[in-house]
Amino acid sequence: DTGVSQDPRHKITKRGQNVTFRCDPISEHNRLYWYRQTLGQGPEFLTYFQNEAQLEKSRLLSDRFSAERPKGSFSTLEIQRTEQGDSAMYLCASSPTRGGAFFGQGTRLTVV
Amino acid sequence: DQQVKQNSPSLSVQEGRISILNCDYTNSMFDYFLWYKKYPAEGPTFLISISSIKDKNEDGRFTVFLNKSAKHLSLHIVPSQPGDSAVYFCAATLNTGNQFYFGTGTSLTVIP
Repeated sequence: DTGVSQDPRHKITKRGQNVTFRCDPISEHNRLYWYRQTLGQGPEFLTYFQNEAQLEKSRLLSDRFSAERPKGSFSTLEIQRTEQGDSAMYLCASSPTRGGAFFGQGTRLTVV
Repeated sequence: DQQVKQNSPSLSVQEGRISILNCDYTNSMFDYFLWYKKYPAEGPTFLISISSIKDKNEDGRFTVFLNKSAKHLSLHIVPSQPGDSAVYFCAATLNTGNQFYFGTGTSLTVIP
């Protein structure tokens, strides 16, 4: 399967714990996006990488959130000191150039 | 500030008939528009896109129309099939392509 891969698919964590999600984009896609989606809403932009450079970051991305793409391939999204409001589907997408972005299956985070 | 709006949360259509999903946007600087389809617990799947220099793009049963003066786009599905039942999101991007702005989605039900 050469699509966007996200791991884990589901994560349940206790409030206050740190979590990290991984995204493997489609090979050779230099653009990578992180989005968050809650029930009844469209995907909300979190951050954008072009290769290893983080070029855009939403003001929604508080200090507790950090993302990396160290070698311009896979990316990680870390949430520190999770809160119940962080419960959502976290989506990663990649694209080769301008045009459509291809999404992964998402990571469902539940904070209890 | 919701720059992309889908004012119909749901739509029901008889199998074989046309489904028309609508989307409005406020930012006249958007230059690329996309439609995604989403099943529960999965990431969005790219369907079709259109550049702002065009007013129509067709791909099989799917056609997207763009009316720049009205800041409106629509997705036509003909003929509708039960497998088309899903949530449809429209999205738009600026020429930087650094971010996709999504609507809140329209849930389409195709009745057999």
